[in-house]
Amino acid sequence: NAGVMQNPRHLVRRRGQEARLRCSPMKGHSHVYWYRQLPEEGLKFMVYLQKENIIDESGMPKERFSAEFPKEGPSILRIQQVVRGDSAAYFCASATTGGTYNEQFFGPGTRLTVL
Amino acid sequence: GENVEQHPSTLSVQEGDSAVIKCTYSDSASNYFPWYKQELGKGSQLIIDIRSNVGEKKDQRIAVTLNKTAKHFSLHITETQPEDSAVYFCAAGTGGFKTIFGAGTRLFVKA
Repeated sequence: NAGVMQNPRHLVRRRGQEARLRCSPMKGHSHVYWYRQLPEEGLKFMVYLQKENIIDESGMPKERFSAEFPKEGPSILRIQQVVRGDSAAYFCASATTGGTYNEQFFGPGTRLTVL
Repeated sequence: GENVEQHPSTLSVQEGDSAVIKCTYSDSASNYFPWYKQELGKGSQLIIDIRSNVGEKKDQRIAVTLNKTAKHFSLHITETQPEDSAVYFCAAGTGGFKTIFGAGTRLFVKA
């Protein structure tokens, strides 16, 4: 059973471009979380999704950021018109069920650099 | 809002010594406290967790303690080994959707 997969592992964008980050959860997991990690900081919750539903997006900026988890295919975190402050590592995690009692399995992250 | 503070930010120990990482949380509704280990270039991995109905939990060389009154919980690693070198994150959850993470502790175990 492959773990959580994220791609690309590294992404370089110029200011104003779009960044699309993909997360394939573990097999059988229908819950996905996205986190952002700035250098020397912890993981900051962004959004929690189930298949075809956004459950909690309270940690995600309201502008330029969006997330989806379609019925088929990976979860996508999309950042439009990137700015330098978006440079960070973005991790997704998946779980079998929702709720914080359930272990989250993390992917290796996507490191976004905005030039 | 909810906050988890973690100390120290960096910890260096000699192989075989013990390492202790401490966290405090602000949300009194928190009742689940996982610890994650992040190795270089990899995603974080759950190493141990504790729920609020338990004061202490041990798994081989790793133990966690929880003081709900003080809103304080700690990770203890005994007989440290070089492969324990990593970044460790504490976290607090209320059983809802959101888990709040500490800023991490970079542990160096010197051989």
